[in-house]
Amino acid sequence: AQSVTQLDSHVSVSEGTPVLLRCNYSSSYSPSLFWYVQHPNKGLQLLLKYTSAATLVKGINGFEAEFKKSETSFHLTKPSAHMSDAAEYFCVVSDNNNDMRFGAGTRLTVKP
Amino acid sequence: GAVVSQHPSRVICKSGTSVKIECRSLDFQATTMFWYRQFPKKSLMLMATSNEGSKATYEQGVEKDKFLINHASLTLSTLTVTSAHPEDSSFYICSATGQPTNEKLFFGSGTQLSVL
Repeated sequence: AQSVTQLDSHVSVSEGTPVLLRCNYSSSYSPSLFWYVQHPNKGLQLLLKYTSAATLVKGINGFEAEFKKSETSFHLTKPSAHMSDAAEYFCVVSDNNNDMRFGAGTRLTVKP
Repeated sequence: GAVVSQHPSRVICKSGTSVKIECRSLDFQATTMFWYRQFPKKSLMLMATSNEGSKATYEQGVEKDKFLINHASLTLSTLTVTSAHPEDSSFYICSATGQPTNEKLFFGSGTQLSVL
């Protein structure tokens, strides 16, 4: 069975400082991994995805994530936070059978 | 924490039949529910947003007569795939937000639909 653990339920950063949202996964297969963002009362928006190509994945809005098989991690980073980045972020793993498992989410707060 | 229960987890049906998928919020009032569809190795596609007591808002390209969404109570939303065809085979997942979860989103466990 596959699973996802988002290590922080809440992360707070100052505007202009780096963002790190941590995600560890467990999967018996070569997984696909995704990061989604959710703004209040909106649906999910895909930030980036890893599907066994390059291990460093670049997404929208300056976000990127690195797939590290040895550490079973897929942490999301951004060099400089903007106020508009404040939202809930979800790490998701999908296996060969197309089943998806969501992390519990990390709420990102950006202080002026 | 809040829980969203989605049933069934897997369903196999014949072409031309209809399939109903249920999404229940077990310990909070789900004022808004989202229905998504995912194809293998692809990202989630938002199908529709439903607010309790109102008609669902469908995304562009999603057939509302094909994918019937009902959100008649604060704890239950259903997605019915009518006259299913093999191309409807996919992974469907619901998510819910409301009170008192303070806008946090919770996900069902998903439904794998296979249409023969």
